[in-house]
Amino acid sequence: TQLLEQSPQFLSIQEGENLTVYCNSSSVFSSLQWYRQEPGEGPVLLVTVVTGGEVKKLKRLTFQFGDARKDSSLHITAAQPGDTGLYLCAGENGGNQFYFGTGTSLTVIP
Amino acid sequence: KAGVTQTPRYLIKTRGQQVTLSCSPISGHRSVSWYQQTPGQGLQFLFEYFSETQRNKGNFPGRFSGRQFSNSRSEMNVSTLELGDSALYLCASTRIGPNEQFFGPGTRLTVL
Repeated sequence: TQLLEQSPQFLSIQEGENLTVYCNSSSVFSSLQWYRQEPGEGPVLLVTVVTGGEVKKLKRLTFQFGDARKDSSLHITAAQPGDTGLYLCAGENGGNQFYFGTGTSLTVIP
Repeated sequence: KAGVTQTPRYLIKTRGQQVTLSCSPISGHRSVSWYQQTPGQGLQFLFEYFSETQRNKGNFPGRFSGRQFSNSRSEMNVSTLELGDSALYLCASTRIGPNEQFFGPGTRLTVL
């Protein structure tokens, strides 16, 4: 069962533009993770959010966990070609079970 | 601290054969999970091992099996390979509190 829906599925933008990726669910999670994956490699953990309403910033990336802990967003400011990759969100249910989103493939054009 | 390692990185097999993949978690992590990733299905959970016991299992046929050793290293086995088993197989180890998964580079399996 796919519990997490990400949107958009594909995104192609010019260098310097801003973008937001959404991760939505009808389920409540204990925590939520965001990963970036490059072709042929494993996902790399970017951030974990655990508190409803929490906002975390990682340089040009801003992550927010919804108040009800059912959804999250990732905002990238002034995107760069190095941001290109597959972005995945994952919700953890408190029992070490992780549910992955459908993924957002981002391409940043120089 | 070394990350999650997986061997081999690439494998080519033919239908009907079997394959064994290996994963060494980050030192101190006792939970290891396995995932299958394909372009059409995304990341699909196979199973999770903790202290040598399978704790969670995904919806995959019995051809997919795994085990974990006392040093937390894990192996997964796929028997009677089918063309549809071609995928990137990812292993992840979990750090507790909050639970966070760290992935290895994956094993790319191609079934001909």
